[in-house]
Amino acid sequence: QVQLVQSGAEVKKPGASVKISCKTYGYAFTTSYIHWVRQAPGEGLEWLGIINPHGGAPDYPQKLQGRVTMTRDKSTSTMYMELSSLRSEDTAVYFCAREYGVLGFDYWGQGTLVTVSS
Amino acid sequence: EIVLTQSPGTLSLSPGGRTTLSCWASQRVTSNYLAWYQQRPGQAPRLLIYGASNRAPGIPGRFSGSGSGTDFTLTISRLEPEDFAVYFCQQYGSSPYTFGQGTKLEIK
Repeated sequence: QVQLVQSGAEVKKPGASVKISCKTYGYAFTTSYIHWVRQAPGEGLEWLGIINPHGGAPDYPQKLQGRVTMTRDKSTSTMYMELSSLRSEDTAVYFCAREYGVLGFDYWGQGTLVTVSS
Repeated sequence: EIVLTQSPGTLSLSPGGRTTLSCWASQRVTSNYLAWYQQRPGQAPRLLIYGASNRAPGIPGRFSGSGSGTDFTLTISRLEPEDFAVYFCQQYGSSPYTFGQGTKLEIK
């Protein structure tokens, strides 16, 4: 069955970078876009961007332009999200999610907690 | 950017009751690509409704969605104990994809 399995929790210092992986199982990797979403403690959901498994330029929201980079490895069916110049406000649980056409985000990873602290 | 506003922020209800959650968009949602998600503590969001009114596979019939354009609703007809959670709406018709701030459904 479809599964998105993310890498483990990270603790980073302000100014550092973090790279999270999202390995996909149970479907043809190139058939669905992958999105990244985060949730700060006690807060709502924030969309971080989308990457096309076929390649092409990812799409990021304006506020994260220059700090976020999304990449893919077709050989391992894995997506990556890297966030640089970390600040305390980036402390959150980060999710990857599959977009399956008109269905929206039908499968989600389990989440990866990133803590930014000096 | 389309801003989604959910109402109310918190609802206190009893199991067995019926409730309607609202989601308003600041602009028309392209192709009514509006989804509803349920999130329980410590879990990832779970897709309930897509395309404003279509139940996702495996979602019980007590969940229904309606609306179009800028006004959308999620109705839960008979609340079960496992339904007490946070509900988010999301538009995925145009970038940036945006979420509402959430409605928390709590047991009265």
